[in-house]
Amino acid sequence: QKEVEQNSGPLSVPEGAIASLNCTYSDRGSQSFFWYRQYSGKSPELIMSIYSNGDKEDGRFTAQLNKASQYVSLLIRDSQPSDSATYLCAVRGSSNTGKLIFGQGTTLQVKP
Amino acid sequence: GAGVSQSPSNKVTEKGKDVELRCDPISGHTALYWYRQSLGQGLEFLIYFQGNSAPDKSGLPSDRFSAERTGGSVSTLTIQRTQQEDSAVYLCASSWSSGAADTQYFGPGTRLTVL
Repeated sequence: QKEVEQNSGPLSVPEGAIASLNCTYSDRGSQSFFWYRQYSGKSPELIMSIYSNGDKEDGRFTAQLNKASQYVSLLIRDSQPSDSATYLCAVRGSSNTGKLIFGQGTTLQVKP
Repeated sequence: GAGVSQSPSNKVTEKGKDVELRCDPISGHTALYWYRQSLGQGLEFLIYFQGNSAPDKSGLPSDRFSAERTGGSVSTLTIQRTQQEDSAVYLCASSWSSGAADTQYFGPGTRLTVL
């Protein structure tokens, strides 16, 4: 079992729809959870971070965390073609070094 | 302000040669991380620096890989006797510290191709 798992996709949604991206993790001691967006040929860019159970909203983005189920998700409302990218789920585990464990990423395609 | 910078942006080398990759973190960031991104492997942690020391080297794939950081700033990742499987994008990230809430900011990466 991989430490952080994501569906590789591609996930295709029409412009204006809600895109739902999911991630599960195996380390129950994980403390922090991050969603990075990566455009082709570019480096990862932080979209959202979440540390407590529940929802966290920032503009069109909502991150959801359920530690009991070891599940974190990212919702993108009113999806735009510019949201088309690979979304990486990253988990800071129970070690104290701050290293991030990344999922394989989900490719999102938003069609005009 | 300036972000994380890396050099070179691209490096093509022959199998068996040594390469050095450089990372300049954001000024004031004490934590520095090296990751590698290759097709089919995703983004993998290599090494973590806090200041000039490396308390976590668990991701270095072999003893051909080494890294150092000087002056609590610039870091160099060295790969000796490169192999074709070393071909990947090497990403550096920095953060204020290694705290749970500290965001890691990534540099543009160095694309390494080993022929």
